[in-house]
Amino acid sequence: ETGVTQSPTHLIKTRGQQVTLRCSSQSGHNTVSWYQQALGQGPQFIFQYYREEENGRGNFPPRFSGLQFPNYSSELNVNALELDDSALYLCASSLALGASTEAFFGQGTRLTVV
Amino acid sequence: GEDVEQSLFLSVREGDSSVINCTYTDSSSTYLYWYKQEPGAGLQLLTYIFSNMDMKQDQRLTVLLNKKDKHLSLRIADTQTGDSAIYFCAETPSGGYQKVTFGTGTKLQVIP
Repeated sequence: ETGVTQSPTHLIKTRGQQVTLRCSSQSGHNTVSWYQQALGQGPQFIFQYYREEENGRGNFPPRFSGLQFPNYSSELNVNALELDDSALYLCASSLALGASTEAFFGQGTRLTVV
Repeated sequence: GEDVEQSLFLSVREGDSSVINCTYTDSSSTYLYWYKQEPGAGLQLLTYIFSNMDMKQDQRLTVLLNKKDKHLSLRIADTQTGDSAIYFCAETPSGGYQKVTFGTGTKLQVIP
């Protein structure tokens, strides 16, 4: 139990639709990162938020966007869904920036795009 | 760019030692991690090693780092059936944000 919860656990969307995934971090964790994990692959870094501002981004198009709120919750939004967006989406929260700070992962949201 | 590679599968007998290997390309890697993922679960950080260390031991886990060859290994002593999972090697460079680059994962199967 990491104290990081994601919702929903599973989701099915149609190509072209928009989706919002939610993450509730541990209290006090001001850093949240989002990852996409395709089947049989390792997680790929999407972006990180620190104190409600985007603080780094991986190789994902602008239709992937996020928000972080003062209550330690955050959202990942994906517009114009494509079939290849089908994956497990993981959020990870940590107490601070810095590579040595442990990131606590949620169990993920399994998104299927049909 | 960064790249982290692992073998896909490892099978060991219960009680034996498991050694999972990983190679990475980013010479600026500062921290190297081992994560465990069980079916239907998120990622659990097992251990990490700073790039100026050669070895780190934590109970049944031993991490070895060969920085010259960019090779990282995880040894699990006295492997148990509960150790069956996918193990991810990961690295992050120094810098202002914690972008972690993961390998493709090694599936460890422990045979009773």
